[in-house]
Amino acid sequence: QVTLKESGPVLVKPTETLTLTCTVSGFSLSNARMGVSWIRQPPGKALEWLAHIFSNDEKSYSTSLKSRLTISKDTSKSQVVLTMTNMDPVDTATYYCARTPAYPLHFDYWGQGTLVTVSS
Amino acid sequence: DIQMTQSPSSLSASVGDRVTITCRASQSISSYLNWYQQKPGKAPKLLIYAASSLQSGVPSRFSGSGSGTDFTLTISSLQPEDFATYYCQQSYSTPFHFGPGTKVDIK
Repeated sequence: QVTLKESGPVLVKPTETLTLTCTVSGFSLSNARMGVSWIRQPPGKALEWLAHIFSNDEKSYSTSLKSRLTISKDTSKSQVVLTMTNMDPVDTATYYCARTPAYPLHFDYWGQGTLVTVSS
Repeated sequence: DIQMTQSPSSLSASVGDRVTITCRASQSISSYLNWYQQKPGKAPKLLIYAASSLQSGVPSRFSGSGSGTDFTLTISSLQPEDFATYYCQQSYSTPFHFGPGTKVDIK
């Protein structure tokens, strides 16, 4: 059974760095052609893809957020970590991680999401 | 970046209706197009990948078609559990933008 679960702070202050962890089970982060993506959704708005990382350590980032994002993985812990620097109130959103088969790429299993609020 | 648009942005329909949602890419994406369903307070659920492949466990009343820049999601006979928001998403090249969504509600 494939599951993903996001964890991290529910509240961060403007200018702080957000660190989110996605813990996966039911598959390995070393599986060929398999990865994990981060996607966010501001309240009442559409989904926005942020970043992904694959088993071969290939990474890719949103064009508009690239300078603020870092994605990494710890295969032994079955975890994928996303950091976002210089948080702003407009970054308030539910953050999801999703399993990402590479070919063809899609998001087939999602975590429940974690709401992060940016406020002083 | 490849931009995605959807139409309509919302629609009202009755149980049993045939519903069609359109998604358009700003440039050709071959068949690299996925569809998701999202209910309030829940994570999105994959319905269709690669334009027309039905995800395991998804009812056969959902179907997808199209290639290049124009795609459609069709629900052949709308059921009460299908009232939700639907998103398309391109997976041709990064960044993997989603469409703005189409909300399907009860008429």
